[in-house]
Amino acid sequence: DAGVIQSPRHEVTEMGQEVTLRCKPISGHNSLFWYRQTMMRGLELLIYFNNNVPIDDSGMPEDRFSAKMPNASFSTLKIQPSEPRDSAVYFCASSPDGHNQPQHFGDGTRLSIL
Amino acid sequence: DAKTTQPTSMDCAEGRAANLPCNHSTISGNEYVYWYRQIHSQGPQYIIHGLKNNETNEMASLIITEDRKSSTLILPHATLRDTAVYYCIVRVVMDSSYKLIFGSGTRLLVRP
Repeated sequence: DAGVIQSPRHEVTEMGQEVTLRCKPISGHNSLFWYRQTMMRGLELLIYFNNNVPIDDSGMPEDRFSAKMPNASFSTLKIQPSEPRDSAVYFCASSPDGHNQPQHFGDGTRLSIL
Repeated sequence: DAKTTQPTSMDCAEGRAANLPCNHSTISGNEYVYWYRQIHSQGPQYIIHGLKNNETNEMASLIITEDRKSSTLILPHATLRDTAVYYCIVRVVMDSSYKLIFGSGTRLLVRP
């Protein structure tokens, strides 16, 4: 069965450019999470959606970051304009509803901003 | 948010049991303990979770002390592919789901 699918796997771009990361959650999962991982800060939760609605975006670092979930099978995380300090691995995870369901992670997008 | 404390690194021999400890002394009565691992260049992988009873699945066993202030993840017969960073997490409940707050984890090296 297909897991969480993220694209692209790698992205290299120059600072100031817009970056869009994409995620397809596991079919039937109602919750979707965006995380960021850096050497300095480890894995951090950026934003969480439930039934396509953003519930908690307290982890989004600043206004340059935005996330959308237009339907149950697709989400985007956008950075505009990008900066070198945004370089990190970005993970998407999904889970079914319920407080006892594990989150399943994609393999991430490795983003490098030059 | 309950915090967890894990050793920075451990190693074990291939074929032997790997026992990874975790302290979570400030855990609340309704908070679950989750274990994930991350193999290099991959996303975190769910292993197991529990509340107060010991749990076992095809990947591992989870032993939680009676006072719930610590737990141990056991990989019964470690293989080289179990080399990874292992995260012990006390989840934070939100609305219909929960938040995972990752710490630094334990880097497990399985030696041939």
